[in-house]
Amino acid sequence: AAGVIQSPRHLIKEKRETATLKCYPIPRHDTVYWYQQGPGQDPQFLISFYEKMQSDKGSIPDRFSAQQFSDYHSELNMSSLELGDSALYFCASSLEGGNEQFFGPGTRLTVL
Amino acid sequence: DAKTTQPTSMDCAEGRAANLPCNHSTISGNEYVYWYRQIHSQGPQYIIHGLKNNETNEMASLIITEDRKSSTLILPHATLRDTAVYYCIARRRLKAAGNKLTFGGGTRVLVKP
Repeated sequence: AAGVIQSPRHLIKEKRETATLKCYPIPRHDTVYWYQQGPGQDPQFLISFYEKMQSDKGSIPDRFSAQQFSDYHSELNMSSLELGDSALYFCASSLEGGNEQFFGPGTRLTVL
Repeated sequence: DAKTTQPTSMDCAEGRAANLPCNHSTISGNEYVYWYRQIHSQGPQYIIHGLKNNETNEMASLIITEDRKSSTLILPHATLRDTAVYYCIARRRLKAAGNKLTFGGGTRVLVKP
């Protein structure tokens, strides 16, 4: 069965650079969620989209922005990267109101 | 979302049942209990959820007390691949907005041979 696809899987950036993370949800899933997991921490919700509209927002820095496109894939744009942005970034998808969120394998971002 | 409390860690023997408790004493009537797990550095994985009845699927069973203040996730025959952090999350089941998962204070389960 198709799963959530995230790209790239690994990304290394310098401080103050920008990064774009991509997420391709499971076919027919209309809701996408982004989570950030710092080293040794639990995943933290950043933002979610339903039918291309932002549906909820968590502790996402102003330097980050995200959107969901007409094909339902989503991109997380991160600017002015800081060392503290080094983390695993997970994308999850679900059907509207679905009980189960399906998580992708994550993108490991390292900021040097 | 109601606060949940879980043991920090627990060990269990391979092949034995693993019983993972969760306390959610402030849960409201329309909040479900969800369980997810995260195997090291992988994306979290849904296990099971329930409102007030006990539930079972191919992965686990969920036992919810009658007063709904606590629950237990049961892995019937733990394997080494069940070693993971297990999260108990109480939240309402809503349409798209508000379906975020709040992870915190999970139980680190180590299955030993």
